[in-house]
Amino acid sequence: AQSVTQLDSQVPVFEEAPVELRCNYSSSVSVYLFWYVQYPNQGLQLLLKYLSGSTLVKGINGFEAEFNKSQTSFHLRKPSVQISDTAEYFCAVTPYSSASKIIFGSGTRLSIRP
Amino acid sequence: GAVVSQHPSWVICKSGTSVKIECRSLDFQATTMFWYRQFPKQSLMLMATSNEGSKATYEQGVEKDKFLINHASLTLSTLTVTSAHPEDSSFYICSVLPVGTEAFFGQGTRLTVV
Repeated sequence: AQSVTQLDSQVPVFEEAPVELRCNYSSSVSVYLFWYVQYPNQGLQLLLKYLSGSTLVKGINGFEAEFNKSQTSFHLRKPSVQISDTAEYFCAVTPYSSASKIIFGSGTRLSIRP
Repeated sequence: GAVVSQHPSWVICKSGTSVKIECRSLDFQATTMFWYRQFPKQSLMLMATSNEGSKATYEQGVEKDKFLINHASLTLSTLTVTSAHPEDSSFYICSVLPVGTEAFFGQGTRLTVV
């Protein structure tokens, strides 16, 4: 079985400051890792994904994440946030198998203050 | 990537009536689709896995007679909320999950039962 833990339910940050949203996972099998963003009353949009290869992955809107297998973490970072980054962020994993479920973390609400 | 279209984006219905939500995979043949429910400020909760040509698989605690799922073709799955009550008001999201890549989500449906 898999589980995903997002340690921070809310993260307030000032505009243009750096931010890190934390994600840890647990799984007995290899998994793919994802970060999704959700704006109010909308579906989820993929920010970035780790499938294989380089452990540092870059996504849209200036976000990046680093896969750390030994620490089973996949933290999301951005060096300088904007007001438009205010949203809910979900870390997720899927096992290496067909038609498997995607397991979500509880989400982190990122709020940017001017 | 796959494009998933969900309709309607919002619906208001009277208590006791039924509401149908459609989820279409526009450019991907999905033998499996997933239906989620999301309460305010919470993560997505998997309700059921929709299987083309066979019965849906429901998660524990989800009433299959209340949330009817039909997956009649490789591009269409429907969720019908039967005899809706105010406590069924929520945000419903569908998704497809191609093998070896990320999940793709519909825009979501905001259901309000009055």
